[in-house]
Amino acid sequence: AQKVTQAQTEISVVEKEDVTLDCVYETRDTTYYLFWYKQPPSGELVFLIRRNSFDEQNEISGRYSWNFQKSTSSFNFTITASQVVDSAVYFCALSFKRETSGSRLTFGEGTQLTVNP
Amino acid sequence: DADVTQTPRNRITKTGKRIMLECSQTKGHDRMYWYRQDPGLGLQLIYYSFDVKDINKGEISDGYSVSRQAQAKFSLSLESAIPNQTALYFCATSSAPNTGELFFGEGSRLTVL
Repeated sequence: AQKVTQAQTEISVVEKEDVTLDCVYETRDTTYYLFWYKQPPSGELVFLIRRNSFDEQNEISGRYSWNFQKSTSSFNFTITASQVVDSAVYFCALSFKRETSGSRLTFGEGTQLTVNP
Repeated sequence: DADVTQTPRNRITKTGKRIMLECSQTKGHDRMYWYRQDPGLGLQLIYYSFDVKDINKGEISDGYSVSRQAQAKFSLSLESAIPNQTALYFCATSSAPNTGELFFGEGSRLTVL
């Protein structure tokens, strides 16, 4: 069975602070993909990043960075110098590459990030 | 225009009524999905379809049915709505072969009184 846990239900920071959103996953598959999605107050889900299980290199995209550690089954997301526009619910998700299952995603519960001015 | 379009965006209905949520996509993807979002629970998969003749149950299919009318259309039905089906529903698509990236619609908020 697969599971994604986002232990932080809500995080509140002040603008310009750095913030890390935690994601821990469980899977028996050796090949899998991890994702982060953003859901702003408007409600749509916006894809942020995909990382496959064979690539443990950290990734940076502007103020966003992701730390993938297979040893701890974690895929954490850091926002540097947070801005009010970063306020949203962030979801971590896991898929597995298995022919019969295709691309179903298992989502974590989500972390509500509030960035205050 | 959005690549994945859901209608209606908002619906209030009464217990026992039949409701259909519709999804259409212009991405040309074979795979379509219906997810349900509840506060604190993330998104849960209701049904998914890999092509017009392929329909599969997800984690929480009880009380729901689907119809894949064409490659571009995937409808979700609640035959007899109940209050605990009040939620935000998302349609999503993905290409095949794929690595799991989903493209979501804007969501349909359903309230069952």
